[in-house]
Amino acid sequence: GNSVTQMEGPVTLSEEAFLTINCTYTATGYPSLFWYVQYPGEGLQLLLKATKADDKGSNKGFEATYRKETTSFHLEKGSVQVSDSAVYFCALVPPSSNTGKLIFGQGTTLQVKP
Amino acid sequence: KAGVTQTPRYLIKTRGQQVTLSCSPISGHRSVSWYQQTPGQGLQFLFEYFSETQRNKGNFPGRFSGRQFSNSRSEMNVSTLELGDSALYLCASRPGQGDTDTQYFGPGTRLTVL
Repeated sequence: GNSVTQMEGPVTLSEEAFLTINCTYTATGYPSLFWYVQYPGEGLQLLLKATKADDKGSNKGFEATYRKETTSFHLEKGSVQVSDSAVYFCALVPPSSNTGKLIFGQGTTLQVKP
Repeated sequence: KAGVTQTPRYLIKTRGQQVTLSCSPISGHRSVSWYQQTPGQGLQFLFEYFSETQRNKGNFPGRFSGRQFSNSRSEMNVSTLELGDSALYLCASRPGQGDTDTQYFGPGTRLTVL
């Protein structure tokens, strides 16, 4: 079946540190891949996405590259800020599924300290 | 454009009651999906509607139902509430049916069942 696995949290970093949150997936074919972020008390916001192999999604300093060889979509940011503290979700939509069903990882909590 | 709106934002019910949650998608979006978020199970897909038709359904009991109106607004209903139904219910909309379409989430309705 289709699934997403994220690294366990929480991840605690100092401001300006480098961030990596690992995400791997299992799917038949080539799914579309997404990173969403959830701030306390809010819904999910799309951070970035990639729809085919080797695509790089980027937004607000965050990047992730769709790696079909390793079935991964790791999230990175060169210098985190306190305002990046949130829960990050990796998700996929199965290919040719004709549905909006997002399959999420369990989420990774990021805490950035000043 | 206004984002996805959900009403009410907070709801407290007792076991055995029923509840109806409402979602207004982004203008022009025809697809609405619902998700349940709990600390134990994470984010789980409930169902998706497109042009008033249910396109896909997650693995939830029949107590969970939904519908979509001609203006794309959607409601979900949970009957005979159980304690385990306490969760954040998120609605998401997207323009059409493509796998690569981004889903935009509302702020959620926090349901507490006592």
